[in-house]
Parts: sequence; structure tokens; C-alpha cells
Amino acid sequence: GESVGLHLPTLSVQEGDNSIINCAYSNSASDYFIWYKQESGKGPQFIIDIRSNMDKRQGQRVTVLLNKTVKHLSLQIAATQPGDSAVYFCAESETDSWGKLQFGAGTQVVVTP
Amino acid sequence: EAQVTQNPRYLITVTGKKLTVTCSQNMNHEYMSWYRQDPGLGLRQIYYSMNVEVTDKGDVPEGYKVSRKEKRNFPLILESPSPNQTSLYFCASNGAGGDNEQFFGPGTRLTVL
Repeated sequence: GESVGLHLPTLSVQEGDNSIINCAYSNSASDYFIWYKQESGKGPQFIIDIRSNMDKRQGQRVTVLLNKTVKHLSLQIAATQPGDSAVYFCAESETDSWGKLQFGAGTQVVVTP
Repeated sequence: EAQVTQNPRYLITVTGKKLTVTCSQNMNHEYMSWYRQDPGLGLRQIYYSMNVEVTDKGDVPEGYKVSRKEKRNFPLILESPSPNQTSLYFCASNGAGGDNEQFFGPGTRLTVL
């Protein structure tokens, strides 16, 4: 079936550098995408979302880029901090309201001093 | 404080013994959902609900039941648990429209012996 996946299972980043986390999706009908952050022992936390009528959206220190042509989504974290160490998930939906969501397997981001 | 609560947080049970995991949100959200999280598989949606008395299957509904009699509560029921339902379960909620920020509960660690 359709699925959401990630290119890199683990990303090691030096503190202060920018992080880029990638996600490929296969469902061409997907029109709503979300990035989550999950710290150890906690539930996922919403970071940022983007709809398919946009190709870029910025938040605080984070930017999500959407390339519908190649079905690719990325999350950029500026000036990565130790508190950014976590597992990051992308998720997608065919509707622009939150209903049936599919998550990728996740990328572990490790921030080194 | 806006939150999603789950109970119990940890549960060890035996095969076939019916159990219920409760979920409650205090944000008057329309949407609620249950996920299970397993190593290497990310979050998989079990069931979701778009409002009171409106529920639908997610990707892995087999062996689970849900109900939405009240807007704030969305219990997950395992009528006859089996060892393959050993997992980490998350409940989540969000309101319709707006920024679609999803709030996740703290998780319930279930072990079925």
C-alpha cells in the first residue's frame, strides 16, 4: 500500500549546525504533511505542517520544504541545539483536516557538542 | 492546562483478559485518534474519530474497538488481548480547521503475556 518513509534512520549533527531531515512519500493524493518530534519517553509533539498548495513554510528555527514533483518533504532545523535531539517523524494525509494519518518510521537526530 | 491524558500508563496483562485504555482531552477537540508505536515501524493509526459517535478504522484496527460517546473521551478496548498487541499506545486529539496542531498523550506501555 501507500507509505511514508525516511531516507536516513540516524542523523548526527554538531551543535550550532543546521539539520536537514528528509522524507519520501508515495501517495500522490497526499495533500497535507506534518512533522513531529518525539523525545525519549514522551508522546510526539507537533512541529510544523504544510499543505500541498505551498512549497515552503517557516516556523521558529524550522522550515519545511515540499517538493510535490518528486514526492519529497524535508525539515530544516537552524542552529541545532542539544534539546533538538529526538526522533523526528513525517506524516501525511489525503485530507487537509486531521483524520487518517500515515507516519514514517522516524529519524533519530543526535546533537553532538 | 491543555492536555491529553491516558490511563493506565503501564499495564501488564495476560492473553484473553479484556482491558480498556482510557483517553481524555480537555480542549473540546473534534478529532481523536489511537496509535500504536513499535520499533522500526513508527506510529500506526488504529482508529480515529471525527466527532461524537463517528469513528473509522485506521491502518491496524484488527483486535481493537473504540467508542466515542462523549466528545472528551475516546477509550481503546482490547476484547481479547494477544501478545502481538504488546506495544506503546498513544492517544491524540486536535480541533477541526485552524493550524491542525495535534496533541498527543503521554503513552501507555502495554505488555500482553
